[in-house]
Amino acid sequence: GQNIDQPTEMTATEGAIVQINCTYQTSGFNGLFWYQQHAGEAPTFLSYNVLDGLEEKGRFSSFLSRSKGYSYLLLKELQMKDSASYLCAVRDPNAGKSTFGDGTTLTVKP
Amino acid sequence: SAVISQKPSRDICQRGTSLTIQCQVDSQVTMMFWYRQQPGQSLTLIATANQGSEATYESGFVIDKFPISRPNLTFSTLTVSNMSPEDSSIYLCSVATGGAGGYTFGSGTRLTVV
Repeated sequence: GQNIDQPTEMTATEGAIVQINCTYQTSGFNGLFWYQQHAGEAPTFLSYNVLDGLEEKGRFSSFLSRSKGYSYLLLKELQMKDSASYLCAVRDPNAGKSTFGDGTTLTVKP
Repeated sequence: SAVISQKPSRDICQRGTSLTIQCQVDSQVTMMFWYRQQPGQSLTLIATANQGSEATYESGFVIDKFPISRPNLTFSTLTVSNMSPEDSSIYLCSVATGGAGGYTFGSGTRLTVV
């Protein structure tokens, strides 16, 4: 089975940097995804890590340590539109499906 | 990445009835996934739909309650049967875009059972 933990809520200031952590304990691993979900909308893909290290994509970066079962999503130069839920998901190597964490609701304040 | 058309976008249904949700993908995909997202919660996988074989259901979900069809590589339906208010949720279909591309989701169906 998969167990994925994320903080429930975070608050940050516009223009700042925020790091959202995700820890996982899984019976198998074939990559970790981060998704953004605005209220009332479907999740949208942000990033994917399968090897250790940092993946950078514009204002967003994602880090993975497989030995520690740990990932984080780093958001820089926060904007009000970044207020959303951020979901960490781990992919099962055998079935192709992903298990999602409960999500972190980020509120960006002026 | 794939584009998914999901419908209906929302519905209000009487308890005891059934609702069928459709997802149409603009490209052929091997696996389609059906998720449920209850208010304020994350996504829970209901089942994986493979073309040409029966769907694979996750623990806590059964075929009699959530029958799935997958007649071809671009289309799938999920039926929520004999609905009760506890079935009120958002239902989403999803496909893998391959490797580092993550998964693409349909726009979701917001179901309210009264």
